[in-house]
Amino acid sequence: QLQLQESGPGLVKPSETLSLTCTVSGGSISSSSYYWGWIRQPPGKGLEWIGSIYYSGSTYYNPSLKSRVTISVDTSKNQFSLKLSSVTAADTAVYYCARHTSSWDAFAIWGQGTMVTVSS
Amino acid sequence: SYVLTQPPSVSVAPGKTARITCGGNNIGSKSVHWYQQKPGQAPVLVIYYDSDRPSGIPERFSGSNSGNTATLTISRVEAGDEADYYCQVWDSSSDQVVFGGGTKLTVL
Repeated sequence: QLQLQESGPGLVKPSETLSLTCTVSGGSISSSSYYWGWIRQPPGKGLEWIGSIYYSGSTYYNPSLKSRVTISVDTSKNQFSLKLSSVTAADTAVYYCARHTSSWDAFAIWGQGTMVTVSS
Repeated sequence: SYVLTQPPSVSVAPGKTARITCGGNNIGSKSVHWYQQKPGQAPVLVIYYDSDRPSGIPERFSGSNSGNTATLTISRVEAGDEADYYCQVWDSSSDQVVFGGGTKLTVL
């Protein structure tokens, strides 16, 4: 059974770069034609898609975050990662990683999420 | 960019039918997915491609999509259905995933 697990610092200072990793277990990140995405949810608010990466490495991002976001995949570690630069308090959120089969497909499998707070 | 509009809240008595709408310009031409999120938990997919149910999701959950409105219908509502529900589409014109603002379902 495929499982996703987010990891990374729970506290990031303003203007610094937020870095998170999603570890995939129970299957290979490169074994099939899947997309791997990041979604976030500020406290008490709704879901916001950040971006996704195809197993081959091609990416697409939320236009509103594109200038600050980098998503990459490390097939040797069965992981994919998120970097969000120049963070502010508005980036405080629970960050989820998830898998979907295509850009228009649903996110069928989600990680449990990790809370990241931006504060000095 | 494409906007999905959901009512902030819907209330329903146990055993009745809840309908949660998701409005968007010509949303009927897009594939709509629905997620259930309970407090402190990750979202769970309950409907994909407008009306398909993942394995393990009760038949009480159904979906439809036409014109400018997609609808998630929950029949014979139970207390355990109380949660936030989000709709989601892929907007090909801007190449992005879009979520609705979410609807809090309260079981009276």
